[in-house]
Amino acid sequence: KAGVTQTPRYLIKTRGQQVTLSCSPISGHRSVSWYQQTPGQGLQFLFEYFSETQRNKGNFPGRFSGRQFSNSRSEMNVSTLELGDSALYLCASSEDPSGNTIYFGEGSWLTVV
Amino acid sequence: DQQVKQNSPSLSVQEGRISILNCDYTNSMFDYFLWYKKYPAEGPTFLISISSIKDKNEDGRFTVFLNKSAKHLSLHIVPSQPGDSAVYFCAASTMNTGFQKLVFGTGTRLLVSP
Repeated sequence: KAGVTQTPRYLIKTRGQQVTLSCSPISGHRSVSWYQQTPGQGLQFLFEYFSETQRNKGNFPGRFSGRQFSNSRSEMNVSTLELGDSALYLCASSEDPSGNTIYFGEGSWLTVV
Repeated sequence: DQQVKQNSPSLSVQEGRISILNCDYTNSMFDYFLWYKKYPAEGPTFLISISSIKDKNEDGRFTVFLNKSAKHLSLHIVPSQPGDSAVYFCAASTMNTGFQKLVFGTGTRLLVSP
């Protein structure tokens, strides 16, 4: 079974631009969540989607948004990029409702210059 | 407010010996705990988990112990191998806020030397 797939793996953006990251969950997993990892803040929860609905949200500004499609694939978007948004963005999936184990993708490494 | 804490940023162990990684939490609502292993610029790899109704869970060389009264969990790796060298994160979740919302510790870098 293929794992969680994220694209792109690496990207560089300029301050003020926006970025869209994509995630394909493990086949059969309907819950997709997103995390941000930075050296200063560690791994932090962004949001979680199930059945195209955002079920849970972390403490991030409104510039961070996401969506989920009917095939469970998900995208997250960051608008008006700031230097501090440089991070590894991780997507994770789990089965639901019994999915209490979360499986992560390789991540998308975003650098904002 | 750091709800999940890993107070040891690093740990060095010789190959073949036991590695013990520790994690403390403050939120008594947490009822599910997980350990992940992570290499730089890669996603965390799930290792082992434990529900709050248990105090021990084993999977091969990995054993997780949970002490609910002390709000403490530990990961034991026996025997340690050089390939175990990585950063280890403990994470916690609660059914109330959704198991998908993990709260992570800051990680412990394990170095296993031959």
